[in-house]
Amino acid sequence: AQSVAQPEDQVNVAEGNPLTVKCTYSVSGNPYLFWYVQYPNRGLQFLLKYITGDNLVKGSYGFEAEFNKSQTSFHLKKPSALVSDSALYFCAVSSYSGNTGKLIFGQGTTLQVKP
Amino acid sequence: AVVSQHPSWVICKSGTSVKIECRSLDFQATTMFWYRQFPKQSLMLMATSNEGSKATYEQGVEKDKFLINHASLTLSTLTVTSAHPEDSSFYICSARRGAQYEQYFGPGTRLTVT
Repeated sequence: AQSVAQPEDQVNVAEGNPLTVKCTYSVSGNPYLFWYVQYPNRGLQFLLKYITGDNLVKGSYGFEAEFNKSQTSFHLKKPSALVSDSALYFCAVSSYSGNTGKLIFGQGTTLQVKP
Repeated sequence: AVVSQHPSWVICKSGTSVKIECRSLDFQATTMFWYRQFPKQSLMLMATSNEGSKATYEQGVEKDKFLINHASLTLSTLTVTSAHPEDSSFYICSARRGAQYEQYFGPGTRLTVT
């Protein structure tokens, strides 16, 4: 069965410092990996995806993620955090089995960036 | 890619039905998805909706209670029938544009059943 784990409920960083939000996955076949961000009482905004190719993926708002097949991880990173990055972050995976396009989400990690 | 939902917030009385609309504003959505999210929790997929065909419901989701219609390539509706307080939740739709892998999410609808 497919699954996604985000081991940290909350990540706290100081503004200007680098941030990492962790994600590991389990899927049969090739994984398609995604990061989304959710602000309070809002829907999810797409940040970036890994489908194939370069393991380092660059996305919106200065975020990037590194796909590591051996460690089955897809950690989200940003070199310099902003207070406005404070939000709930979700990692998701799809193996596109049967081409349904279904996403399996992790439990989410709250990022708190303090000034 | 923009997805809208209407209404953004609705209160209804127990036993009544509520319809939530999900629209893709600037693209045609071959597939739409409906999720439910409880406070501070992840998204739970309820059903997958393809234009012109019956929705595929996830295990444990009552299809007679949560009616999904995907009448066009830009509109899907979720109707919560005979709503009960336990149906109170944040409902979010998403849409997939053609063969693209990512989904684009609506802003969500907060349903409160009294």
